[in-house]
Amino acid sequence: DVKVTQSSRYLVKRTGEKVFLECVQDMDHENMFWYRQDPGLGLRLIYFSYDVKMKEKGDIPEGYSVSREKKERFSLILESASTNQTSMYLCASSPGRRGQPQHFGDGTRLSIL
Amino acid sequence: GESVGLHLPTLSVQEGDNSIINCAYSNSASDYFIWYKQESGKGPQFIIDIRSNMDKRQGQRVTVLLNKTVKHLSLQIAATQPGDSAVYFCAETSADRGSTLGRLYFGRGTQLTVWP
Repeated sequence: DVKVTQSSRYLVKRTGEKVFLECVQDMDHENMFWYRQDPGLGLRLIYFSYDVKMKEKGDIPEGYSVSREKKERFSLILESASTNQTSMYLCASSPGRRGQPQHFGDGTRLSIL
Repeated sequence: GESVGLHLPTLSVQEGDNSIINCAYSNSASDYFIWYKQESGKGPQFIIDIRSNMDKRQGQRVTVLLNKTVKHLSLQIAATQPGDSAVYFCAETSADRGSTLGRLYFGRGTQLTVWP
């Protein structure tokens, strides 16, 4: 089975801090994704990556950046955390060809105080 | 813009009954569809997928139906159990989006509650 592991289940940070969320997948998938999930808004794509060192903006990239130095690891960075970034963050991965399901981690619930 | 939507935000069923969760999509070029289940405190879990060259696909206790004429997707769960209580998302993709391989477009989800 595909395993997508997010480094923290719960995280509390302060406004203005630089925050790193880490995600690792063990299936040699080319694609990796970061979403945020808020009540009533569903899953919104922040950034995705289809190869090492490659990235593309999703629908809500403002205030975020990403890093993919190794194929198995995809990091989401909040450059200067703000309270409106309090949310559930979900990482996913999928094979490089189109028409394949994404496999999700269990999420990081991030609170910015 | 494109949208993947759900007819009902909540659905309550009695244990043992069949459940039907619906999803509408607007892009006629959509060619791959997925259903996910998300239990409280967990990430979305893949249930079943279907490609546009099929109308129906069955899994264990689940069936997905695709009606391309009216751009409608449904998930049927047979003999619903309390463990089926979760939020269910549909997602789709198409070749005409111009985006990189693998991106999915998600609906907002339906909360299924199963009563004993």
